Amino acid sequence: ETGVTQSPTHLIKTRGQQVTLRCSSQSGHNTVSWYQQALGQGPQFIFQYYREEENGRGNFPPRFSGLQFPNYSSELNVNALELDDSALYLCASSLEGLRGLTGELFFGEGSRLTVL
Amino acid sequence: LAKTTQPISMDSYEGQEVNITCSHNNIATNDYITWYQQFPSQGPRFIIQGYKTKVTNEVASLFIPADRKSSTLSLPRVSLSDTAVYYCLVGDYTGFQKLVFGTGTRLLVSP
Repeated sequence: ETGVTQSPTHLIKTRGQQVTLRCSSQSGHNTVSWYQQALGQGPQFIFQYYREEENGRGNFPPRFSGLQFPNYSSELNVNALELDDSALYLCASSLEGLRGLTGELFFGEGSRLTVL
Repeated sequence: LAKTTQPISMDSYEGQEVNITCSHNNIATNDYITWYQQFPSQGPRFIIQGYKTKVTNEVASLFIPADRKSSTLSLPRVSLSDTAVYYCLVGDYTGFQKLVFGTGTRLLVSP
């Protein structure tokens, strides 16, 4: 148990639709990042949020967007869904503090998105 | 970020020691080496991290030679529950924590 919870666990959408995935970070963690994991591949970094602002982004188009709220929870929004967006979406939280960033992230169990 | 190379898969038996080696020839001075474990339909889990020499925790050991161009994750006396994908990552994590995962090593532990 990492203390990171994601919802929904599974969902099915059709091409062109929009989806919102939610994440509650581990208590006290102020940084949230999102990853996309296609079947058989390693997770790919989408973006990271710190203090409600995006402070890093991977190679994903603008239709992937996010939010971080004052309680550090987060949302991932994907517009105009494509078939290739079918994947496990992972949220991870961490604490950026005096020690700086350590590379130790706490992942949730993910939201499995299927696009038909 | 340094690219890593690790075996696609490994097989072992319960009770054996498993060593997974990762190559990272272009590692930079400020890079750390981190290993994650992932079970099916779960998020990755941090196992261990090191910069040089040897690091040991309750789960594994990490061996890093002086040139830091490779590292070896050692799992003592594996059990069936150690069957998972193991990822080797290299990065300095300044600015933001972008973890770069490869395809990992699929470890299968048999009875």
